[in-house]
Amino acid sequence: SQELEQSPQSLIVQEGKNLTINCTSSKTLYGLYWYKQKYGEGLIFLMMLQKGGEEKSHEKITAKLDEKKQQSSLHITASQPSHAGIYLCGAPGVTTSGTYKYIFGTGTRLKVLA
Amino acid sequence: DAGVIQSPRHEVTEMGQEVTLRCKPISGHDYLFWYRQTMMRGLELLIYFNNNVPIDDSGMPEDRFSAKMPNASFSTLKIQPSEPRDSAVYFCASSPSPNQPQHFGDGTRLSIL
Repeated sequence: SQELEQSPQSLIVQEGKNLTINCTSSKTLYGLYWYKQKYGEGLIFLMMLQKGGEEKSHEKITAKLDEKKQQSSLHITASQPSHAGIYLCGAPGVTTSGTYKYIFGTGTRLKVLA
Repeated sequence: DAGVIQSPRHEVTEMGQEVTLRCKPISGHDYLFWYRQTMMRGLELLIYFNNNVPIDDSGMPEDRFSAKMPNASFSTLKIQPSEPRDSAVYFCASSPSPNQPQHFGDGTRLSIL
């Protein structure tokens, strides 16, 4: 079965610093989603990447999809305390029985020091 | 627009009791998902529905867990009898189609004593 591995597992950065979170798939990626979760809340959808080489940005967050490497990266420029939370990648897939599956990465816990 | 609504937000109950979690998906979303999140196992898909029909329940831990979707605007996840290892945050999510992003509720934090 497909698995998504995120790195690093946790990250502490000083406000204003740039950072990158990676999501690596054990199988071919046909699309990838990035979510953010704050403690005690649900997941908030950030971005969806569907094609190899695709890059999307939202405010100071940029995500890229490298299909060959079966990997996606999430980059935050000039981090702020409001960026703190858990970032999760998710990918759609199909099981051997043909049903739809949706798996999530292990998550990266980000803390931004003011 | 109203998002996915879950209730209750918090539930504390004793081992052996029946627990029912509720979810109202976003109107017009044909897919509904139930997830469980723990520190050890992360976010796990338990079951999902398409047009009120259960499609894949392979993630349901055991027979103590059951889920229903009697209509397009309501779903329940039931645990009977509950055990301490069921303690987790349970999320409901919905999406208009399989390849569209899912919208998550705020979750139900369940503690079984």
